[in-house]
Amino acid sequence: DAGVIQSPRHEVTEMGQEVTLRCKPISGHDYLFWYRQTMMRGLELLIYFNNNVPIDDSGMPEDRFSAKMPNASFSTLKIQPSEPRDSAVYFCASSYPTGPGELFFGEGSRLTVL
Amino acid sequence: DQQVKQNSPSLSVQEGRISILNCDYTNSMFDYFLWYKKYPAEGPTFLISISSIKDKNEDGRFTVFLNKSAKHLSLHIVPSQPGDSAVYFCAASGTSGTYKYIFGTGTRLKVLA
Repeated sequence: DAGVIQSPRHEVTEMGQEVTLRCKPISGHDYLFWYRQTMMRGLELLIYFNNNVPIDDSGMPEDRFSAKMPNASFSTLKIQPSEPRDSAVYFCASSYPTGPGELFFGEGSRLTVL
Repeated sequence: DQQVKQNSPSLSVQEGRISILNCDYTNSMFDYFLWYKKYPAEGPTFLISISSIKDKNEDGRFTVFLNKSAKHLSLHIVPSQPGDSAVYFCAASGTSGTYKYIFGTGTRLKVLA
């Protein structure tokens, strides 16, 4: 079975540019999570969805960040405009519909904003 | 504020010895806890979990202990192996209608051969 698929794996962009990160969850998983990893804050939850509906976006740092899940097999995290402090590794994860349990993570998208 | 804390950013242990990684939490509504292991350039992978109805869960060389009164959990690895060298994250969630997983900042374990 394919795991969680994220793209791009690496993105280098200049300050002010729009960045779009993509995620395909594991088929049948109805929870999807976006995390950001930084040295200072570890794995920080940005937003999560259940059945394509955003449930909690309290971790989204600013209005520059937005996330969508138009269908069960695709989600995007967009940063517009990007800033150097957004440089981090962004992870997408999905989980089973049967309550708390294991999260399955993608390999991450490393973003560098110059 | 950090609801899940891993106060030791790094730990070095000799091969064959026990590794003990610690995690503290502040939210008493958390009742499900997980440990993840992360290698460089990879996503975190699930290691072991524990529900608040238990105080210990064991899986091979890995044991997680939960002390609810102290809001503390620990991961024991016995015996430690060089392949265990990675960053370990603890995570917590509540089951009362939300599956929001909050992670700590991670502890980098180095097992010395």
